Amino acid sequence: GNSVTQMEGPVTLSEEAFLTINCTYTATGYPSLFWYVQYPGEGLQLLLKATKADDKGSNKGFEATYRKETTSFHLEKGSVQVSDSAVYFCALEASGGSYIPTFGRGTSLIVHP
Amino acid sequence: ETGVTQTPRHLVMGMTNKKSLKCEQHLGHNAMYWYKQSAKKPLELMFVYNFKEQTENNSVPSRFSPECPNSSHLFLHLHTLQPEDSALYLCASSQDHSVALYGYTFGSGTRLTVV
Repeated sequence: GNSVTQMEGPVTLSEEAFLTINCTYTATGYPSLFWYVQYPGEGLQLLLKATKADDKGSNKGFEATYRKETTSFHLEKGSVQVSDSAVYFCALEASGGSYIPTFGRGTSLIVHP
Repeated sequence: ETGVTQTPRHLVMGMTNKKSLKCEQHLGHNAMYWYKQSAKKPLELMFVYNFKEQTENNSVPSRFSPECPNSSHLFLHLHTLQPEDSALYLCASSQDHSVALYGYTFGSGTRLTVV
């Protein structure tokens, strides 16, 4: 079956530090890949997506590149802010019409001033 | 507000109580979903409704009973829950159930505590 593995958190950084949150996946075919963010007390919001190999999704200074050869979709940001403190979820949606997405467990990010 | 409204935001209930969670969207979407979010576990899809018809029941215990009276409203009726059912329950909607994940809109969730 499909699965998504994220690095365990929490990830604790100082403001302006570089961020990487690792995500690897297992899926048949050519899935679409997503990062969602959940701020405290809120639901999930789409952060970025990539639908085919070598695509780079980007939004709000965050980036992730779809790497088929390493089955990875790591999230990066060059300079984090306190307001980026949230839980980040990696997810995939397999091709072939199952329409049921698979989420990772989430990685908590805490950014200190 | 994201366009998907969930009430109540917080709920504490005893194991013998009956309560209901409500989800409402006026985005013109035709598919609605219930997810369970527990600490340190992946999001678990519970139910999917497409055009008011249930299309997915992900082996959810019968103490959770969904209801979708129209495409704008979704309920989750709860009875005789267990403490392990304590979690954040998220509702989401999309144009229809064939829409890719990026087309989902999530609500802010109901934080449920079973005592």
